[in-house]
Amino acid sequence: AQSVAQPEDQVNVAEGNPLTVKCTYSVSGNPYLFWYVQYPNRGLQFLLKYITGDNLVKGSYGFEAEFNKSQTSFHLKKPSALVSDSALYFCAVRDGNSGYALNFGKGTSLLVTP
Amino acid sequence: DVKVTQSSRYLVKRTGEKVFLECVQDMDHENMFWYRQDPGLGLRLIYFSYDVKMKEKGDIPEGYSVSREKKERFSLILESASTNQTSMYLCASSRDSYGYTFGSGTRLTVV
Repeated sequence: AQSVAQPEDQVNVAEGNPLTVKCTYSVSGNPYLFWYVQYPNRGLQFLLKYITGDNLVKGSYGFEAEFNKSQTSFHLKKPSALVSDSALYFCAVRDGNSGYALNFGKGTSLLVTP
Repeated sequence: DVKVTQSSRYLVKRTGEKVFLECVQDMDHENMFWYRQDPGLGLRLIYFSYDVKMKEKGDIPEGYSVSREKKERFSLILESASTNQTSMYLCASSRDSYGYTFGSGTRLTVV
């Protein structure tokens, strides 16, 4: 089955510093990869996706992600973190075995401190 | 603006009750999904549907069933609610495998 792993439960970063939230994937074939963000007691909001094309994907709110096939990674990045970026971040991969449902990682809590 | 609407943000139900969680989308999407979210476990797929009256089990279907009588509505049913079904439930829909839209979630507490 297609799967993703988020190795960090929590990431702490100071406001203004660059942030990285890590994601690695395990798929057969070409991966369709996604990042979502969740604010407290809310649903998931789409940030960006990689289907094909450029390895650097730009998304919402200044976020970007780099697809690295050799390292099977899809890390989420932002050059300068904001306190308002504090939230729960999920990496996901499309699973062709489940009606194209998304398989999610366990999530990474990002805390940006002033 | 396209939407996936979950009828309740918060629900409190008693053990043994039959519980219905409703999800409606206005985007004419074929595919709809139900997930539950628990801390440290991420989102886990309960059921999905790729057409009206069609349903398929996901990773954790035990204790749940679903209904899709109309294209826009996908209901999750807890036949006899138990305390271990206390969770956040998220509905999603997609037309294809490139774009998925999520509802705001229903936080269910079973007491």
